[in-house]
Amino acid sequence: RKEVEQDPGPFNVPEGATVAFNCTYSNSASQSFFWYRQDCRKEPKLLMSVYSSGNEDGRFTAQLNRASQYISLLIRDSKLSDSATYLCVVTLDTGRRALTFGSGTRLQVQP
Amino acid sequence: NAGVTQTPKFRVLKTGQSMTLLCAQDMNHEYMYWYRQDPGMGLRLIHYSVGEGTTAKGEVPDGYNVSRLKKQNFLLGLESAAPSQTSVYFCASSTNRDGYEQYFGPGTRLTVT
Repeated sequence: RKEVEQDPGPFNVPEGATVAFNCTYSNSASQSFFWYRQDCRKEPKLLMSVYSSGNEDGRFTAQLNRASQYISLLIRDSKLSDSATYLCVVTLDTGRRALTFGSGTRLQVQP
Repeated sequence: NAGVTQTPKFRVLKTGQSMTLLCAQDMNHEYMYWYRQDPGMGLRLIHYSVGEGTTAKGEVPDGYNVSRLKKQNFLLGLESAAPSQTSVYFCASSTNRDGYEQYFGPGTRLTVT
């Protein structure tokens, strides 16, 4: 079983739509949670951290459910520029600060 | 600031050849990492370093060696390349303060024939 599982997609949505991605993680000791964004043939970049109380950054909302070991990302009012692969990332507090990545969910926003 | 840079951007090797990938960062970060990314899989950690002169194995270290002689540089070596090492290699760095944000280089696309 993968440590971090995501639906690979692709999710094809029209501009202006709301879209949600989910992610599950297997290690209940995971401490920190993130969403990274990766454009085609580019490096991953941090989109946002995910906090237990849920958090928003503009059109993006992230939620964490520790009991179900589940993370979500909601994108409202999708833009063409949101087209990318969204990587769910978790980490254990091991001191090495290494990240464990999901394989990503691809989003294609269409005009 | 250039951030994290990687050299080369592309390389084609024959089976059995060796090469070194260079990663450099100008952010004075303590931690540096090498990942590989294959289709349908997440990034997987090869080796990492928590400071100058230190290295440690990650999730998939076999067939690779690393060195961190200077704080700003982290080298990844392939002594005898195999087709299974065809991948995109990303270097990343982060601080030793609170938070886990990692800054990635642009990647090296390696093909082993």
